[in-house]
Amino acid sequence: AQSVSQHNHHVILSEAASLELGCNYSYGGTVNLFWYVQYPGQHLQLLLKYFSGDPLVKGIKGFEAEFIKSKFSFNLRKPSVQWSDTAEYFCAVPRADSGGYQKVTFGTGTKLQVIP
Amino acid sequence: DVKVTQSSRYLVKRTGEKVFLECVQDMDHENMFWYRQDPGLGLRLIYFSYDVKMKEKGDIPEGYSVSREKKERFSLILESASTNQTSMYLCASRLPGGGNIQYFGAGTRLSVL
Repeated sequence: AQSVSQHNHHVILSEAASLELGCNYSYGGTVNLFWYVQYPGQHLQLLLKYFSGDPLVKGIKGFEAEFIKSKFSFNLRKPSVQWSDTAEYFCAVPRADSGGYQKVTFGTGTKLQVIP
Repeated sequence: DVKVTQSSRYLVKRTGEKVFLECVQDMDHENMFWYRQDPGLGLRLIYFSYDVKMKEKGDIPEGYSVSREKKERFSLILESASTNQTSMYLCASRLPGGGNIQYFGAGTRLSVL
């Protein structure tokens, strides 16, 4: 069964610090990978996605993630965080079932707190 | 923009009450989902509907049921609410073939006393 591990549960950074959030997955099929973000009081939304091609994908608000197949990883990065990046971040991977890949498995989330 | 609307942001119910959580999407998506979100556990799938009147149990369906009579509306039902169902409930929709991207509502924070 597909699984997703996010090892950092709570990260506290000062503004302008660099960010890297870890995501590892176990998955045997076609790899699509996602990062979702949930800002305080807002709905969960897609931050970026990897389907194929360039393993370095760029998302909104200066975030990027690198798919490293050999390490089963899809870590999220941002060179310089801002206070407005305070949010919870979820890594997700599709899961196979009888209907194909209609569902996804979400990681347990990483809460990022950026201190001004 | 896709819009997924959950009828209530906050709900307080008593143990044993029947609770309805409503979700409406405006993009004609076939697939809809109900999750619960708990600290440290991430999102766990309760039920999934792949089309009108079609539903499938997710990972934690016990104590819940769902209804999908119309394409745009997916309801989650707690037949007899219990305190361990206190949680944040998220509804999502997805367009098949849409790259498996899900679109979420703002969530309903349910407290069962």
